[in-house]
Amino acid sequence: SSDLTQPPSVSVSPGQTASITCSGDKLGDKYVSWYQQKSGQSPVLVIYQDTRRPSGIPERFSGSMAGNTATLTISGTQAMDEADYYCQAWDITTIFGGGTKLTVL
Amino acid sequence: DVQLLESGGELVQPGGSLRLSCAASGFTFSDYAMSWVRQAPGKGLEWVSSISGSGGSSYYADSVKGRFTISRDNSKNTLSLQMNSLRAEDTALYYCAKVLGGTDHGDFDYWGQGTLVTVSS
Repeated sequence: SSDLTQPPSVSVSPGQTASITCSGDKLGDKYVSWYQQKSGQSPVLVIYQDTRRPSGIPERFSGSMAGNTATLTISGTQAMDEADYYCQAWDITTIFGGGTKLTVL
Repeated sequence: DVQLLESGGELVQPGGSLRLSCAASGFTFSDYAMSWVRQAPGKGLEWVSSISGSGGSSYYADSVKGRFTISRDNSKNTLSLQMNSLRAEDTALYYCAKVLGGTDHGDFDYWGQGTLVTVSS
């Protein structure tokens, strides 16, 4: 699997929409998932199979895929959403993106 | 509730060995592939290894291939990672993670709290 590229940081004001991208070679041929990791905690799956949301994850989290770029969108961002976010893709192996620090200003 | 509890992490000298364990509960362990994912201090997530539900297939990142061995005991609901020829760059928090769905690879829907491995003289 090739590298997955994420922006190192994204800032958003409370109540606004945050978008975090993840790009990679032939990413469109794979499923992408997204994880939220708050400081000192284990990662939590927030989106899987590009667009699906696990039970218990708020509806403000959504995922999309266009070409070789996946996007995690958080609508109406709240202070509690401040965290590191990682994309993941898998086929015969698994690879993670470098992570994006979301700051809610 | 699904629970994953890792153990075995400690300080070890370069070139040494260590065995990590993960005790699983709350689901039918043999039905799901399991993985180890690590996170070096202040760094991102890195997939290390995965094993199929039956234990018949295993997969490794290039960075650990030939040094680490993943295994599972479905009778004891336990996942293990034998780590040999440890290097300073193996220093990390090691997470045990359950794979969502019935494939050998996939999304990780449950994670343990991690066990810290420190490789230093």
